[in-house]
Amino acid sequence: DAGITQSPRHKVTETGTPVTLRCHQTENHRYMYWYRQDPGHGLRLIHYSYGVKDTDKGEVSDGYSVSRSKTEDFLLTLESATSSQTSVYFCAISEGSGRGDNEQFFGPGTRLTVL
Amino acid sequence: SQQGEEDPQALSIQEGENATMNCSYKTSINNLQWYRQNSGRGLVHLILIRSNEREKHSGRLRVTLDTSKKSSSLLITASRAADTASYFCATAVQGAQKLVFGQGTRLTINP
Repeated sequence: DAGITQSPRHKVTETGTPVTLRCHQTENHRYMYWYRQDPGHGLRLIHYSYGVKDTDKGEVSDGYSVSRSKTEDFLLTLESATSSQTSVYFCAISEGSGRGDNEQFFGPGTRLTVL
Repeated sequence: SQQGEEDPQALSIQEGENATMNCSYKTSINNLQWYRQNSGRGLVHLILIRSNEREKHSGRLRVTLDTSKKSSSLLITASRAADTASYFCATAVQGAQKLVFGQGTRLTINP
């Protein structure tokens, strides 16, 4: 988890409220990712970023938006949280060296509960 | 839909035994990676094998890749209690910086 932090680590919120999760890296890696992890579904990509202000959708992007105004920060926003968004959210980073080796390094996760 | 499918979903062995996990995928890949996740923690990268490689070693880990069968295996030799974790394969499609993860194998090492 070194070099990647997520905040908050735990959050309980109510349906309909906005929620923002933050991922912060100190590695200066180009790529940043948001995943959610649910039992029976493994790890699914929500959104990713390939540079400041450059983002793209993943497999399960509906109901989520992201922003990246600085290299080190990648924000995930749930505009109006729903119970189906109760999950553990992981941020990951990748150097994007261009060699094709694209191992990812993961943060510690944020456990979000939507009541 | 998931690209990688791990088999078995759960595996329980005695300490000192070898553990083998398998991963199958559907499309052509650039590389295949294995990750470990300890309970309540983030994933940790273990090993990457490129599509033109057939076998790779790292300490007690041995990974094989058969692109004709679209499958990979992860062997952990001389298992230890600390190896208890979930193991995920992830595939990288050519030209993409995204990974697609399987659902994982939960490995339990009994003392």
